Amino acid sequence: EVQLVESGGGLVQPWGSLRLSCAASGFTFSRSWMTWVRQAPGKGLEWVANIMQDGSEKYYVDSVKGRFTISRDNAKNSLYLQMNSLRPEDTAVYYCTKTSLDRIPVAGTLYYYYYMDVWGKGTTVTVSS
Amino acid sequence: AIQMTQSPSSLSASIGDRVTITCRASQVIRIDLGWYQQKPGKAPKLLVYAASRLQSGVPSRFSGSGSGTEFTLTISSLQPEDFATYYCLQDYNYPWTFGQGTKVEIK
Repeated sequence: EVQLVESGGGLVQPWGSLRLSCAASGFTFSRSWMTWVRQAPGKGLEWVANIMQDGSEKYYVDSVKGRFTISRDNAKNSLYLQMNSLRPEDTAVYYCTKTSLDRIPVAGTLYYYYYMDVWGKGTTVTVSS
Repeated sequence: AIQMTQSPSSLSASIGDRVTITCRASQVIRIDLGWYQQKPGKAPKLLVYAASRLQSGVPSRFSGSGSGTEFTLTISSLQPEDFATYYCLQDYNYPWTFGQGTKVEIK
């Protein structure tokens, strides 16, 4: 069974740090892009960060650049999100997702399309004094 | 960043109704758009990617269409389990951005 299990959430004071983990199973982790998505209480979804299969490419939403770091350990089938200088607006449920690629021909050219096909149940981060 | 605007923000519909949700991008995004369904207290679920590709296992009453800046998600005959919030997501360029969501409620 393909599964993602997040952990590491909790209550932290402003300016504090937290490290989220995501344990993957049931698929070849080292071949998958991985993504973190978050959802503040009562709000919509927000993409946070992506990491390529070998960790060589990483992308972040502007609001977390310089504070959050996405990383992975393919030997341990694990994804991480190191969160520093946390702010109250970082309070959210953080989801880990497996991000797949499909090659689709369009007008004779092959394009790659991403899709987040497996989601964990999420871990809750609360930033408050 | 590309802005994604969904409409309506919410709608009320009856079982069996045809429902259409629209997502508009602030710039051309080819067909780099997905649709996700989220039920209260649950993780989102992928429905459609590349604007019209139905994810494996998703009922055929769901369909996606559009390209460029205008996209739609259609539920051909609304079922009880379809009452949820739906989000579009552009993955054309970074930062990826979601629409604000459309809540589908029971009439």
